[in-house]
Amino acid sequence: KAGVTQTPRYLIKTRGQQVTLSCSPISGHRSVSWYQQTPGQGLQFLFEYFSETQRNKGNFPGRFSGRQFSNSRSEMNVSTLELGDSALYLCASSLGGAGYYEQYFGPGTRLTVT
Amino acid sequence: GESVGLHLPTLSVQEGDNSIINCAYSNSASDYFIWYKQESGKGPQFIIDIRSNMDKRQGQRVTVLLNKTVKHLSLQIAATQPGDSAVYFCAENMYSGAGSYQLTFGKGTKLSVIP
Repeated sequence: KAGVTQTPRYLIKTRGQQVTLSCSPISGHRSVSWYQQTPGQGLQFLFEYFSETQRNKGNFPGRFSGRQFSNSRSEMNVSTLELGDSALYLCASSLGGAGYYEQYFGPGTRLTVT
Repeated sequence: GESVGLHLPTLSVQEGDNSIINCAYSNSASDYFIWYKQESGKGPQFIIDIRSNMDKRQGQRVTVLLNKTVKHLSLQIAATQPGDSAVYFCAENMYSGAGSYQLTFGKGTKLSVIP
Protein backbone atom coordinates (compact mmCIF):
# COMPACT_ATOMS: atom_id res chain seq x y z
CA LYS A 1 0.00 0.00 0.00
CA ALA A 2 1.53 3.31 -1.06
CA GLY A 3 2.12 5.85 1.66
CA VAL A 4 1.29 9.51 1.77
CA THR A 5 3.10 11.44 -0.93
CA GLN A 6 3.85 15.14 -1.02
CA THR A 7 5.09 17.27 -3.87
CA PRO A 8 7.33 19.05 -4.28
CA ARG A 9 9.82 17.92 -1.63
CA TYR A 10 11.76 21.16 -1.67
CA LEU A 11 10.79 24.65 -2.70
CA ILE A 12 12.44 28.05 -2.61
CA LYS A 13 10.27 31.12 -2.97
CA THR A 14 10.68 34.85 -2.60
CA ARG A 15 8.83 36.95 -0.06
CA GLY A 16 5.51 38.13 -1.45
CA GLN A 17 5.05 35.19 -3.80
CA GLN A 18 2.49 32.47 -3.36
CA VAL A 19 2.96 28.72 -3.24
CA THR A 20 0.84 25.61 -3.66
CA LEU A 21 1.76 22.30 -2.06
CA SER A 22 0.19 18.97 -2.91
CA CYS A 23 -0.62 15.90 -0.86
CA SER A 24 -1.88 12.50 -2.00
CA PRO A 25 -3.28 10.46 0.89
CA ILE A 26 -3.22 6.72 1.32
CA SER A 27 -5.85 5.07 -0.84
CA GLY A 28 -9.16 4.93 0.99
CA HIS A 29 -8.30 7.65 3.48
CA ARG A 30 -10.78 10.50 3.47
CA SER A 31 -9.16 12.82 5.99
CA VAL A 32 -6.14 14.96 5.19
CA SER A 33 -4.55 17.24 7.76
CA TRP A 34 -1.81 19.78 7.23
CA TYR A 35 0.85 20.80 9.74
CA GLN A 36 3.63 23.33 9.82
CA GLN A 37 6.84 22.27 11.54
CA THR A 38 9.53 24.72 12.64
CA PRO A 39 12.34 24.36 15.18
CA GLY A 40 10.88 27.10 17.33
CA GLN A 41 7.19 26.20 17.31
CA GLY A 42 7.28 22.48 16.66
CA LEU A 43 4.37 20.83 14.88
CA GLN A 44 1.40 23.13 14.52
CA PHE A 45 -1.96 22.17 13.07
CA LEU A 46 -3.06 24.12 10.02
CA PHE A 47 -6.32 22.50 8.91
CA GLU A 48 -8.11 19.26 8.26
CA TYR A 49 -10.18 18.30 5.26
CA PHE A 50 -12.65 15.45 5.19
CA SER A 51 -14.68 14.54 2.13
CA GLU A 52 -13.80 17.84 0.42
CA THR A 53 -14.89 19.95 3.41
CA GLN A 54 -12.68 21.82 5.80
CA ARG A 55 -13.59 20.41 9.15
CA ASN A 56 -11.02 22.08 11.34
CA LYS A 57 -8.68 25.02 11.22
CA GLY A 58 -5.73 26.00 13.40
CA ASN A 59 -4.61 29.46 14.39
CA PHE A 60 -3.01 30.59 11.19
CA PRO A 61 -3.74 33.75 9.16
CA GLY A 62 -6.03 33.69 6.16
CA ARG A 63 -3.00 33.60 3.86
CA PHE A 64 -2.98 29.87 4.52
CA SER A 65 -5.72 28.02 2.72
CA GLY A 66 -6.41 24.59 1.40
CA ARG A 67 -8.78 22.39 -0.46
CA GLN A 68 -9.54 18.75 -1.03
CA PHE A 69 -10.61 17.11 -4.23
CA SER A 70 -13.09 14.30 -4.78
CA ASN A 71 -10.25 11.76 -4.92
CA SER A 72 -9.14 12.97 -1.44
CA ARG A 73 -5.98 14.60 -2.77
CA SER A 74 -5.37 17.90 -1.06
CA GLU A 75 -3.56 21.12 -1.77
CA MET A 76 -2.56 23.92 0.51
CA ASN A 77 -1.80 27.42 -0.63
CA VAL A 78 0.12 30.17 1.06
CA SER A 79 -0.23 33.63 -0.42
CA THR A 80 1.98 36.67 0.11
CA LEU A 81 4.80 34.62 1.58
CA GLU A 82 6.72 35.92 4.55
CA LEU A 83 10.15 34.91 5.79
CA GLY A 84 8.51 33.30 8.81
CA ASP A 85 6.65 30.87 6.55
CA SER A 86 9.88 28.97 5.99
CA ALA A 87 9.14 25.56 7.43
CA LEU A 88 8.55 21.90 6.78
CA TYR A 89 4.93 21.40 5.74
CA LEU A 90 3.58 17.98 6.53
CA CYS A 91 0.37 16.38 5.52
CA ALA A 92 -1.17 13.36 7.17
CA SER A 93 -4.02 11.14 6.11
CA SER A 94 -6.36 8.99 8.15
CA LEU A 95 -9.43 6.87 7.60
CA GLY A 96 -11.64 9.08 9.70
CA GLY A 97 -11.31 12.13 11.88
CA ALA A 98 -7.81 13.26 12.71
CA GLY A 99 -8.44 13.28 16.41
CA TYR A 100 -9.53 9.67 16.64
CA TYR A 101 -7.79 7.69 13.99
CA GLU A 102 -4.15 6.93 13.39
CA GLN A 103 -2.60 9.52 11.11
CA TYR A 104 -0.01 8.61 8.53
CA PHE A 105 2.40 11.37 7.62
CA GLY A 106 4.08 12.14 4.35
CA PRO A 107 7.76 13.13 4.11
CA GLY A 108 6.93 16.83 3.98
CA THR A 109 7.68 19.75 1.72
CA ARG A 110 10.58 21.93 2.82
CA LEU A 111 9.68 25.54 1.97
CA THR A 112 12.34 28.22 2.14
CA VAL A 113 11.29 31.85 1.74
CA THR A 114 14.03 34.32 0.90
CA GLY B 1 12.33 16.68 8.12
CA GLU B 2 14.38 18.80 10.43
CA SER B 3 12.43 18.54 13.61
CA VAL B 4 15.30 19.22 15.96
CA GLY B 5 15.44 22.60 17.55
CA LEU B 6 18.30 23.96 19.59
CA HIS B 7 16.14 23.77 22.69
CA LEU B 8 14.75 20.25 22.33
CA PRO B 9 15.21 18.15 25.47
CA THR B 10 17.65 15.33 24.80
CA LEU B 11 17.84 11.87 26.26
CA SER B 12 21.00 9.83 25.76
CA VAL B 13 20.88 6.11 26.51
CA GLN B 14 23.24 3.21 26.09
CA GLU B 15 22.32 0.62 23.49
CA GLY B 16 20.43 -2.19 25.17
CA ASP B 17 19.14 -0.07 28.03
CA ASN B 18 15.52 0.92 28.43
CA SER B 19 14.43 4.45 27.53
CA ILE B 20 11.66 6.47 29.10
CA ILE B 21 10.37 9.59 27.38
CA ASN B 22 7.92 11.77 29.24
CA CYS B 23 5.23 14.15 28.12
CA ALA B 24 2.83 16.42 29.95
CA TYR B 25 -0.43 17.17 28.19
CA SER B 26 -2.59 20.18 28.69
CA ASN B 27 -6.25 19.29 28.37
CA SER B 28 -7.93 17.09 30.95
CA ALA B 29 -10.73 16.46 28.42
CA SER B 30 -8.37 14.89 25.87
CA ASP B 31 -9.18 11.22 25.44
CA TYR B 32 -6.84 10.01 22.75
CA PHE B 33 -3.05 10.16 22.79
CA ILE B 34 -0.40 9.15 20.30
CA TRP B 35 3.36 8.82 20.26
CA TYR B 36 5.22 9.56 17.04
CA LYS B 37 8.83 9.04 16.04
CA GLN B 38 10.51 11.34 13.55
CA GLU B 39 13.82 10.51 11.96
CA SER B 40 15.86 13.07 10.12
CA GLY B 41 14.47 13.76 6.67
CA LYS B 42 11.21 11.94 7.28
CA GLY B 43 7.72 12.68 8.44
CA PRO B 44 6.51 11.53 11.87
CA GLN B 45 5.82 7.83 12.13
CA PHE B 46 3.09 6.39 14.36
CA ILE B 47 4.45 4.30 17.24
CA ILE B 48 1.58 3.61 19.59
CA ASP B 49 -1.64 5.16 20.79
CA ILE B 50 -3.77 4.96 23.91
CA ARG B 51 -7.29 6.02 24.80
CA SER B 52 -8.23 7.55 28.11
CA ASN B 53 -10.09 4.47 29.31
CA MET B 54 -6.71 2.72 29.58
CA ASP B 55 -3.67 3.29 31.80
CA LYS B 56 -1.22 1.21 29.86
CA ARG B 57 -0.80 -0.21 26.40
CA GLN B 58 1.98 -2.35 25.05
CA GLY B 59 3.36 -2.78 21.58
CA GLN B 60 6.46 -4.36 20.24
CA ARG B 61 9.26 -3.15 22.54
CA VAL B 62 7.21 -0.08 23.44
CA THR B 63 4.82 0.67 26.27
CA VAL B 64 2.76 3.80 26.79
CA LEU B 65 1.59 4.77 30.26
CA LEU B 66 -1.15 7.30 30.87
CA ASN B 67 -1.67 9.07 34.18
CA LYS B 68 -4.80 11.17 33.86
CA THR B 69 -4.55 12.48 37.41
CA VAL B 70 -1.41 14.46 36.64
CA LYS B 71 -1.95 14.66 32.86
CA HIS B 72 1.19 12.75 32.07
CA LEU B 73 2.17 10.34 29.33
CA SER B 74 5.28 8.27 29.06
CA LEU B 75 6.79 6.13 26.34
CA GLN B 76 9.02 3.27 27.38
CA ILE B 77 11.29 1.64 24.82
CA ALA B 78 12.79 -1.67 25.85
CA ALA B 79 16.31 -2.70 24.81
CA THR B 80 16.96 0.54 22.95
CA GLN B 81 18.68 0.14 19.60
CA PRO B 82 20.63 2.62 17.44
CA GLY B 83 17.68 2.68 15.05
CA ASP B 84 15.59 4.18 17.83
CA SER B 85 17.57 7.43 17.64
CA ALA B 86 15.07 10.07 16.58
CA VAL B 87 12.82 12.82 17.90
CA TYR B 88 9.75 11.57 19.73
CA PHE B 89 6.51 13.52 19.95
CA CYS B 90 3.45 12.97 22.03
CA ALA B 91 0.12 14.23 20.73
CA GLU B 92 -3.28 14.66 22.35
CA ASN B 93 -6.62 15.11 20.69
CA MET B 94 -8.46 18.25 21.60
CA TYR B 95 -12.06 19.07 20.93
CA SER B 96 -12.26 21.92 18.47
CA GLY B 97 -16.02 22.35 18.22
CA ALA B 98 -18.80 21.09 15.99
CA GLY B 99 -18.07 17.49 16.84
CA SER B 100 -14.52 17.51 15.53
CA TYR B 101 -11.12 17.06 17.10
CA GLN B 102 -7.57 17.98 16.23
CA LEU B 103 -4.23 16.67 17.35
CA THR B 104 -1.96 18.94 19.34
CA PHE B 105 1.70 17.93 19.48
CA GLY B 106 4.27 18.37 22.19
CA LYS B 107 7.63 19.95 21.44
CA GLY B 108 9.44 16.63 21.19
CA THR B 109 12.35 14.86 22.84
CA LYS B 110 15.49 13.86 21.00
CA LEU B 111 16.63 10.34 21.81
CA SER B 112 20.27 9.52 21.14
CA VAL B 113 21.40 5.93 21.45
CA ILE B 114 25.04 5.38 22.29
CA PRO B 115 26.39 2.21 20.64
